[in-house]
Amino acid sequence: DARVTQTPRHKVTEMGQEVTMRCQPILGHNTVFWYRQTMMQGLELLAYFRNRAPLDDSGMPKDRFSAEMPDATLATLKIQPSEPRDSAVYFCASGHREDTGALYEQYFGPGTRLTVT
Amino acid sequence: KNEVEQSPQNLTAQEGEFITINCSYSVGISALHWLQQHPGGGIVSLFMLSSGKKKHGRLIATINIQEKHSSLHITASHPRDSAVYICAVRLYSGGGADGLTFGKGTHLIIQP
Repeated sequence: DARVTQTPRHKVTEMGQEVTMRCQPILGHNTVFWYRQTMMQGLELLAYFRNRAPLDDSGMPKDRFSAEMPDATLATLKIQPSEPRDSAVYFCASGHREDTGALYEQYFGPGTRLTVT
Repeated sequence: KNEVEQSPQNLTAQEGEFITINCSYSVGISALHWLQQHPGGGIVSLFMLSSGKKKHGRLIATINIQEKHSSLHITASHPRDSAVYICAVRLYSGGGADGLTFGKGTHLIIQP
């Protein structure tokens, strides 16, 4: 049963600390998304990659957030320095987009619940 | 104004009732997704639609592209259907933008 995995599942940190969240997409998927969910804003897109290349990071605060895919099996989302307003659940999702551009499903990971004090 | 609006925000119903959740959007889309989020927080995709109607068990999703409207129906509702249902759209883009834009969700409670 292929699943998207995320680590850590929970993270509590102090303001100013660096936070790194990791995601392992489903094997064979070429598109990886990072989403953030807060009570106030709901779910919102932060960034996404295809074939490890960033396609859209317009939803991400550039000064403190960075997203990378060091290889096809690992996506990372880093916050440095973290702030209390970054407290949220961060979801990774993956899917496979064919060259035809046909619509495809996105499969969500369990999320990382981040609390910045 | 949000690009994706859902109604109602909260819905409490009795077991067995027919449930309808609505989603309206204001932009051109290539696809609409219905997602389910359980109290534990995990998100599961229920449907992906670009036209017409889809059915899976007791769940039915419809979309009217001209009216920019979609509905999610649950027949013979059960307490295990209690969850947040989220409408999300993939905006139409010639470049193939794939990230989702989400509604605020409908919090559904089915009482026994």
